[in-house]
Amino acid sequence: QQQVKQSPQSLIVQKGGISIINCAYENTAFDYFPWYQQFPGKGPALLIAIRPDVSEKKEGRFTISFNKSAKQFSLHIMDSQPGDSATYFCAASMRPAGTYKYIFGTGTRLKVLA
Amino acid sequence: DAGVIQSPRHEVTEMGQEVTLRCKPISGHDYLFWYRQTMMRGLELLIYFNNNVPIDDSGMPEDRFSAKMPNASFSTLKIQPSEPRDSAVYFCASRPSGLGSSGYTFGSGTRLTVV
Repeated sequence: QQQVKQSPQSLIVQKGGISIINCAYENTAFDYFPWYQQFPGKGPALLIAIRPDVSEKKEGRFTISFNKSAKQFSLHIMDSQPGDSATYFCAASMRPAGTYKYIFGTGTRLKVLA
Repeated sequence: DAGVIQSPRHEVTEMGQEVTLRCKPISGHDYLFWYRQTMMRGLELLIYFNNNVPIDDSGMPEDRFSAKMPNASFSTLKIQPSEPRDSAVYFCASRPSGLGSSGYTFGSGTRLTVV
């Protein structure tokens, strides 16, 4: 119940295309869903995040779509660029008793071809 | 702000030796997290602190691992004795409390190799 399942494991997209990464969760107590971007040799960095009271959040070329009834959320990268090539992690957290523990997905390695 | 600072960046040690990883969180962040990243298991939470107090250490793999946070600006993760299966990248992250905060800030990690 604590897992966050992420797919695909790897993704190759042409420059200008749309990259889509999906995540699913079981625990309905999760109430915060961030996406992190990690470049080789670096720590993950927060990209965009959503709370379950909205179905979509957009920041530039990055959009999170959230389906509360299906317990799924996805990251869409529009007009993908070679600089977007990185590993992307979805995560989920809940706040019982004021905790902020993240459960991460297993990651998606994205390669955008020039 | 310099962000979350981890040291060393790389550590190579022999099996059986003690290893100490260090972390300086962002000033004002009262949560600190230690994660381990491997290809097989992804990002695993080992332990986290709130206001220097360990809150959840259920992810610490075994008694060989220990973590301390003696003050708000410093934490250590110690492995004694180290084993080859401990080889991984260890990340420290910090965040402020409060519903409006924007999540974790990770350090650049320590790549540990135990030979």
